[in-house]
This record gives sequence, C-alpha cells and structure tokens, in this order.
Amino acid sequence: GDSVTQMEGPVTLSEEAFLTINCTYTATGYPSLFWYVQYPGEGLQLLLKATKADDKGSNKGFEATYRKETTSFHLEKGSVQVSDSAVYFCARRGYNQGGKLIFGQGTELSVKP
Amino acid sequence: GAVVSQHPSRVICKSGTSVKIECRSLDFQATTMFWYRQFPKQSLMLMATSNEGSKATYEQGVEKDKFLINHASLTLSTLTVTSAHPEDSSFYICSARDREELNYGYTFGSGTRLTVV
Repeated sequence: GDSVTQMEGPVTLSEEAFLTINCTYTATGYPSLFWYVQYPGEGLQLLLKATKADDKGSNKGFEATYRKETTSFHLEKGSVQVSDSAVYFCARRGYNQGGKLIFGQGTELSVKP
Repeated sequence: GAVVSQHPSRVICKSGTSVKIECRSLDFQATTMFWYRQFPKQSLMLMATSNEGSKATYEQGVEKDKFLINHASLTLSTLTVTSAHPEDSSFYICSARDREELNYGYTFGSGTRLTVV
C-alpha cells in the first residue's frame, strides 16, 4: 500500500551544521508531499509542501524538492539552529477517505550549541 | 492563516469516566476533520476521518463505540473517549481540511494530553 519512510533518528547536529532528513514514498501517481514539524508538547505545523513533480518547497531556510524519479522528498537546511530542535514528519496525501495524510515515522532532530 | 483550536490542552480523568475533546476551525470551513493519536516518540496514528453531517470513518482496529466522533458543523468536531482506561492515555491531535483548499489545506490543532488515572 501507500507509505512514507523517513530516516531514523535521533539526529544530533552542532549549530550551523548542514541538515538532511531523507524521505521516500510509495504511491501510484503524483501525490502532494509535505514536511511538518512538531515541537515538544505541541501539534504539527506545516513546514513546507510540494504539489507536483520537480516542485521545490521552502520555508525558514528549509527546502525539499519533489523527485518523481527517486520518489523522494528529502528535507535540507544549510545551517541549523538550536531552535530547529524538534521532530520532523514527512507526509503524503492519500487518495481515499477524504485525502487523509499518510505520515512517516518522524525524525527527531537535536541541535547542540 | 488557517487556525484550528483544540481544547482542552491537558486533561486528567478517572478511570471509567468519559472525556470530550473539541476541535474548532476558527477562520475557515472544514469539510473534513481527522483525529490522530500519538504515543511517545512515535508517529501519528489516524483514528478516524469525519465529514460534516455524516458518520465518521474509523481506521481498522479503532473502536467506534469507545471513540465517539461528532462533526455537527463545518467548524466543530468532537472526540469523546468513553469509559476511559489508563491505556487510553495518549496525545490526541485533530486536523481540519479547508474546503477552499482541497489540495493541500491541512491545519492541525495543538493537541490534547489525556491522562487516565
């Protein structure tokens, strides 16, 4: 069935390091893709999205490109900050049941000063 | 931007009682609302999908008689955990889908931490 797979965490980086969190998906067709961020004790916030192949979503220094050839949507940031410490979820939109979101397992990021 | 208000943010209840969690879309109409459950250090598990004015669709393995969902209007959905037990303790999150942005308009509430003692 349709699924989303993320690299396992936790990921620990020093401030100003380069970040990559891998995400791949399985799907028929070209679903909309998303990255969400969750801070401790809170709900999810949309970080960025891409709705078609080759689109690049970007926000707050984060970027992800919709790659249909590799069915991937990897999240990148050139220089992370301590405030980026959170759990990041990759998701794709499903086609059934009102277009529910299908989430990856989440990747915890910890940025040390 | 779109805002979803979820209340309460935290609730502690005694075993055997029922708890209601509200999810409101404040500045848009939500054709569809989703209810998720999240265990510590884990991803979100979809419990059910509700459409305004119709019965909710539950995911496999979710007891519909235990987790009652009502989506009475385009701006309000409620999840009632009936006869709660300690194993129902979890973080519950709702999400609303904007009827005007059917392609990618998902907004999440801030979550409810339920503790059953």
